[in-house]
Amino acid sequence: DVKVTQSSRYLVKRTGEKVFLECVQDMDHENMFWYRQDPGLGLRLIYFSYDVKMKEKGDIPEGYSVSREKKERFSLILESASTNQTSMYLCASSLGTGGSPLHFGNGTRLTVT
Amino acid sequence: GQNIDQPTEMTATEGAIVQINCTYQTSGFNGLFWYQQHAGEAPTFLSYNVLDGLEEKGRFSSFLSRSKGYSYLLLKELQMKDSASYLCAVLPNQAGTALIFGKGTTLSVSS
Repeated sequence: DVKVTQSSRYLVKRTGEKVFLECVQDMDHENMFWYRQDPGLGLRLIYFSYDVKMKEKGDIPEGYSVSREKKERFSLILESASTNQTSMYLCASSLGTGGSPLHFGNGTRLTVT
Repeated sequence: GQNIDQPTEMTATEGAIVQINCTYQTSGFNGLFWYQQHAGEAPTFLSYNVLDGLEEKGRFSSFLSRSKGYSYLLLKELQMKDSASYLCAVLPNQAGTALIFGKGTTLSVSS
């Protein structure tokens, strides 16, 4: 079974702090993704990556950056956290082929105060 | 632009059949996915359609019409545990792009 592990389930940070959200997958998947999920807005794509050191902006990349130094790990970075970044963050991975489903981690609920 | 529409909420009773519709308008099309998400949990994969027609998987079936930009998820013999959000997602291109999700349909099953 594919396992996608997010480092924290709950996180509380202060405005202006730099925040790192870590995600690790154990199935040698090429693709990794970061989404945020908010009530009434659904899942929105922040960034994704096809390969090590590759990254692509999603629909809402502002205020975020990512790092993929190793194939199994994809990190989301909030350079200076703001209250509007309070959300549920979901990491996912998939094989490189078009019909491959996403496998999601359990999510990190981030609160910025 | 990219747009995926599905109803916000639906209710049904145990043992019934429910159909959750999804319409999409995207820049390209390389498949449509359905996911189930229970409250507080991660989405889990249910089905994938890339060709027109019906795909059946136990109590769940998914239908696709590419010419109409339309899909539905059919749940039969509903159980209480089917209460969840159901997410429709489209893959616009074969390579290089990620899934675009609809806002999800929250299904409540009552006894």
